[in-house]
Amino acid sequence: QKEVEQDPGPLSVPEGAIVSLNCTYSNSAFQYFMWYRQYSRKGPELLMYTYSSGNKEDGRFTAQVDKSSKYISLFIRDSQPSDSATYLCAMSVVGNQFYFGTGTSLTVIP
Amino acid sequence: GAVVSQHPSWVICKSGTSVKIECRSLDFQATTMFWYRQFPKQSLMLMATSNEGSKATYEQGVEKDKFLINHASLTLSTLTVTSAHPEDSSFYICSARVPGGGGEAFFGQGTRLTVV
Repeated sequence: QKEVEQDPGPLSVPEGAIVSLNCTYSNSAFQYFMWYRQYSRKGPELLMYTYSSGNKEDGRFTAQVDKSSKYISLFIRDSQPSDSATYLCAMSVVGNQFYFGTGTSLTVIP
Repeated sequence: GAVVSQHPSWVICKSGTSVKIECRSLDFQATTMFWYRQFPKQSLMLMATSNEGSKATYEQGVEKDKFLINHASLTLSTLTVTSAHPEDSSFYICSARVPGGGGEAFFGQGTRLTVV
């Protein structure tokens, strides 16, 4: 079983839609949860960073962590064509390496 | 967020030559840096963890003599691909962990290596 599971998509939505991206994980020791956005041929860009359970909001982005279900989500409101990218979830135990999902490819259609 | 600079962004080299890729943390000191390799439409594959002042820890299956990693200072780690072959062509990305606590990681821009 992989440490982190993420649906690769691809996911295609119309502009203005709400997008939901999800990851599940198996290691209950994970404490730090991140979402990255990666455009083609670029390095990943950190979008959201959450410690332990709960919600975190930043503009149109909301990250949720449910440690009891080992499930994390990223919501994008009012999606824009510029949001078209691959979204990677990542998580870690303090001081250890990061574990990444395979990434979900998102296309927002104008 | 913190800034990690990776250089060069792309490089073309001949088979048998060596290529050095630099990764710098510009506004923080990174005791730990990571090197990844990414194939098209695939996720990041961790190659090695680089710790300042000590030897890198390589992942299983990664040839340490081929992918030389040096982390000589708190702001610079280098990856040298030695005796490069076409199968080494890939997208290489570094990241640096922000010190303190779990520390989120920031990524460099990536280096597209093409070996001809």
